[in-house]
Amino acid sequence: QQQVKQSPQSLIVQKGGISIINCAYENTAFDYFPWYQQFPGKGPALLIAIRPDVSEKKEGRFTISFNKSAKQFSLHIMDSQPGDSATYFCAASKSTGSARQLTFGSGTQLTVLP
Amino acid sequence: DTAVSQTPKYLVTQMGNDKSIKCEQNLGHDTMYWYKQDSKKFLKIMFSYNNKELIINETVPNRFSPKSPDKAHLNLHINSLELGDSAVYFCASSHVSQGVQYFGPGTRLTVL
Repeated sequence: QQQVKQSPQSLIVQKGGISIINCAYENTAFDYFPWYQQFPGKGPALLIAIRPDVSEKKEGRFTISFNKSAKQFSLHIMDSQPGDSATYFCAASKSTGSARQLTFGSGTQLTVLP
Repeated sequence: DTAVSQTPKYLVTQMGNDKSIKCEQNLGHDTMYWYKQDSKKFLKIMFSYNNKELIINETVPNRFSPKSPDKAHLNLHINSLELGDSAVYFCASSHVSQGVQYFGPGTRLTVL
């Protein structure tokens, strides 16, 4: 059972375009939603994150839109650059008492063409 | 540098062998994790330790045994390695109250 569904699996965008990645979750116990960026041969790195009481969060060219009632959230990358080419993972976090459990989406391979 | 570090970066071994991966964090976090990333890049949590206590233990074969000597270190020992264990293993850390986890660079394990 995949608790966090992510789409598309791959995305090709021209330089300067907008990249949009969508995620949906099922478990209402999730209370924190980070996005991670992973380059080949590296570990996932936190990009931006949002709490469900906020509908939008923007950091530079990266924006998360959050729809609590629909249990959906998305990442928008404005003015996409070739350096943004990476795999992007949405995630959802919940407390397990003495730890926080992260459940990841299946990832989106983004390619930004020069 | 403040970070989560793992050794080794690459591990190539024969089926049936026993191997260990080490992880250290100097971020002052109290919780550490092991994740497995398969060939399709899917990330799945394996274990979580808080202050040396096992908190999360997902459905993982008991050939995998985590050990935490202190809250800055979390090692992963794997017995009787199988072909299906080939993957990239990531260590991560966080404060127990935070949703953000910080990942190490990964250990690529190849079982021949």
